Amino acid sequence: GENVEQHPSTLSVQEGDSAVIKCTYSDSASNYFPWYKQELGKGPQLIIDIRSNVGEKKDQRIAVTLNKTAKHFSLHITETQPEDSAVYFCAASSAKAAGNKLTFGGGTRVLVKP
Amino acid sequence: DVKVTQSSRYLVKRTGEKVFLECVQDMDHENMFWYRQDPGLGLRLIYFSYDVKMKEKGDIPEGYSVSREKKERFSLILESASTNQTSMYLCASSPLVYSPLHFGNGTRLTVT
Repeated sequence: GENVEQHPSTLSVQEGDSAVIKCTYSDSASNYFPWYKQELGKGPQLIIDIRSNVGEKKDQRIAVTLNKTAKHFSLHITETQPEDSAVYFCAASSAKAAGNKLTFGGGTRVLVKP
Repeated sequence: DVKVTQSSRYLVKRTGEKVFLECVQDMDHENMFWYRQDPGLGLRLIYFSYDVKMKEKGDIPEGYSVSREKKERFSLILESASTNQTSMYLCASSPLVYSPLHFGNGTRLTVT
């Protein structure tokens, strides 16, 4: 089955700096890559996603890049703000997977220091 | 807004007890999921269902079962709770393949 690895596990940045989280996946058939943000006491919430026919997607201060050849994708947060402090999860899904089965990475705890 | 409601925020159960975790979604979604969240391991899929009375094993189904008698409700059952099932349990739903998962706020289960 799919295996998704995520790095780093913790990330501390100064407010205004950029943050980058990287994920690798094992199944070359994977074609959907969402990112979720989990704030304290809440369930994860989708912040951005990318499909395999696109190399990059941007939404205001967040962007995701995908390298299918190398089987890795990254989340970039620019101009970080204290409210960006949360746990972020990457995930991957294959067209072969029944339903909407996602495999998640281990998570990255991001702390933005004011 | 889609709402996924998990019946309990915190649960404390004893080893060997039968435990029911309930999840209800209000948006007529086809797919429902139960994940387990542990530090450093991310979210691991226990079971999912893509239709009423249908269920599929996820990556870690051992020790768990599920029930989906109605479209909006998906229950996770721990037949005989064990201490290694102490964890955060997250329910999610989605309408279609490649559509966002909508998560509940989780149930933190402690088995003593």
